[in-house]
Amino acid sequence: EAGVAQSPRYKIIEKRQSVAFWCNPISGHATLYWYQQILGQGPKLLIQFQNNGVVDDSQLPKDRFSAERLKGVDSTLKIQPAKLEDSAVYLCASNLLNTGELFFGEGSRLTVL
Amino acid sequence: AQRVTQPEKLLSVFKGAPVELKCNYSYSGSPELFWYVQYSRQRLQLLLRHISRESIKGFTADLNKGETSFHLKKPFAQEEDSAMYYCALTGNTPLVFGKGTRLSVIA
Repeated sequence: EAGVAQSPRYKIIEKRQSVAFWCNPISGHATLYWYQQILGQGPKLLIQFQNNGVVDDSQLPKDRFSAERLKGVDSTLKIQPAKLEDSAVYLCASNLLNTGELFFGEGSRLTVL
Repeated sequence: AQRVTQPEKLLSVFKGAPVELKCNYSYSGSPELFWYVQYSRQRLQLLLRHISRESIKGFTADLNKGETSFHLKKPFAQEEDSAMYYCALTGNTPLVFGKGTRLSVIA
């Protein structure tokens, strides 16, 4: 069974530029999550999707972050414009049911200069 | 609000010594607790959950509601246990993670 796929693995941009990350969850997994992990901290939830609907985006900085999952499968997370403090690893995770067992991707490491 | 506290950023033990990674939580309802692990160059993955009450790779964790703790234990550490360990909590909400503890097992 293929795992959660993410791209790009690494991205370096300057502040005020934009960036997009892509995630393909495990086939059949209805729930998809984006987490932000800043160096030295645990993952922090940005947004949760159930199929193509948003369940929780209370911690998503909506002035600069956006995410979509149009067909209930792949998802993209966009940051525009990026700030220095957005430097982090962006983790995508999925699961079949809304349980605590999440399957994570390898993450996309963003560096904002 | 849900909160998970892992007081140790780094824990170093010798091979064969017992290991205890501490986790305390704050949650008003009935929580589900998990331990996730990230080995070097691998993705974050589930190690164990309190509901299943199982032992995985020799690790166990007991939920103590009185002390609001979910410490991870292993009687004899192995070098391959060296990794980042994250305690996580859910209570009908998405997982909330602690900041993690890096376990280093010294040969």
